[in-house]
Amino acid sequence: DVKVTQSSRYLVKRTGEKVFLECVQDMDHENMFWYRQDPGLGLRLIYFSYDVKMKEKGDIPEGYSVSREKKERFSLILESASTNQTSMYLCASSLPIQGRAGELFFGEGSRLTVL
Amino acid sequence: AQSVSQHNHHVILSEAASLELGCNYSYGGTVNLFWYVQYPGQHLQLLLKYFSGDPLVKGIKGFEAEFIKSKFSFNLRKPSVQWSDTAEYFCAVNAEAGTALIFGKGTTLSVSS
Repeated sequence: DVKVTQSSRYLVKRTGEKVFLECVQDMDHENMFWYRQDPGLGLRLIYFSYDVKMKEKGDIPEGYSVSREKKERFSLILESASTNQTSMYLCASSLPIQGRAGELFFGEGSRLTVL
Repeated sequence: AQSVSQHNHHVILSEAASLELGCNYSYGGTVNLFWYVQYPGQHLQLLLKYFSGDPLVKGIKGFEAEFIKSKFSFNLRKPSVQWSDTAEYFCAVNAEAGTALIFGKGTTLSVSS
């Protein structure tokens, strides 16, 4: 069974802290993504990666960075957390084949609260 | 830039009622279209997809969607909803091979028994 695992389901951090959100997939997928999900705003793409050490900005990259040192792992980093980054963060992976790139497999999500 | 528009924010239906959720996208070229569903407390999962061919596609749990190219639409339908269909539904599009999926804002469906 395919699996995308996000390391933390719930986190509470203070403003200014550095936050790491980890995501691991066991499907040997080339593509990995980070979205944030907010009520009424749907899913917004933060960053994505097509391959190891490759990254592309999504629609809302400000305040975030990512790291992909290994194919199976894609990390989202909040360098200095702010209250407006309180959200549900979703990691996903997919194959790179045309069209199939849209068949995303999602993790359970990491709910981050920044105080 | 691509965008996806879902017309209804919240839909409330009784069991056995018919469902249609609207989705329009803005992109002039070839697109791949998707509907994802998120049941309460669960992760997002693929409901159905359209790549090419027959514009009427069928997905899991009796859902179907019709791609109308001239209207840039990909509406989701189900003839008779069940209480277990209560969920949030997201339409999504990617325009070229390898580009990331762009999601709409979602529609919450509440089905009363």
